[in-house]
Amino acid sequence: DIQLTQSPSFLSASVGDRVTITCRASQAISNYLAWYQQKAGKAPKLLIFAASTLQSGVPSRFSGSGSGTEFTLTISSLQPEDFATYYCQHLNTYPITFGQGTRLEIK
Amino acid sequence: EVQLVDSGGDLVQPGGSLRLSCATSGFTFSDHYMDWVRQAPGKGLEWVGRTRNKANEYTTEYAASVKDRFTISRDESKNSLYMQMNSLKTEDTAMYYCARSVGDFRRFDLWGQGTLVTVSS
Repeated sequence: DIQLTQSPSFLSASVGDRVTITCRASQAISNYLAWYQQKAGKAPKLLIFAASTLQSGVPSRFSGSGSGTEFTLTISSLQPEDFATYYCQHLNTYPITFGQGTRLEIK
Repeated sequence: EVQLVDSGGDLVQPGGSLRLSCATSGFTFSDHYMDWVRQAPGKGLEWVGRTRNKANEYTTEYAASVKDRFTISRDESKNSLYMQMNSLKTEDTAMYYCARSVGDFRRFDLWGQGTLVTVSS
């Protein structure tokens, strides 16, 4: 199985900050990577797919990059509504797996 | 409106069975792959399984942790997805979400609100 390791697991930041979350895959997955945002008590929401393609309706302050085994999600200027947990997901082979999550909290 | 509505979660004893449902609307159900994802209390997301679309003969894939215990099916006449869960274990306790999978990358672009399964004696 492909393992995804996110770093950091916890991040404290302020409104207006630029933040980056990293996702490393245990083997190459080309660009078969997606990012999701989950708020407490809610279903996940798709942000980015194919490593760098912004899902329709997602604000442009979110961006993704990477290929192979290392990927990043960047939020260029944090807004109050961005404080949530973020997960990466690979879609390269079965089983599909998710990273362990990065919890982003207000400093 | 394009949406998924999960239902069927309940409290069940270890070794018991349960069937979850996901009612879909607003899109052509038979065109899409559909997945189940679960989240144990306070934990991360875990993919459970998938059913492919009509063009791919509705074939299925499962995570090792549920293979041979869970069965995913769909009823095209009701635009609904199901998951039959047998031989339930305490570690199956989780919120269960159905999700629509689209595009070449099979991203999960639409999610249900979730239904809670609790396995406990």
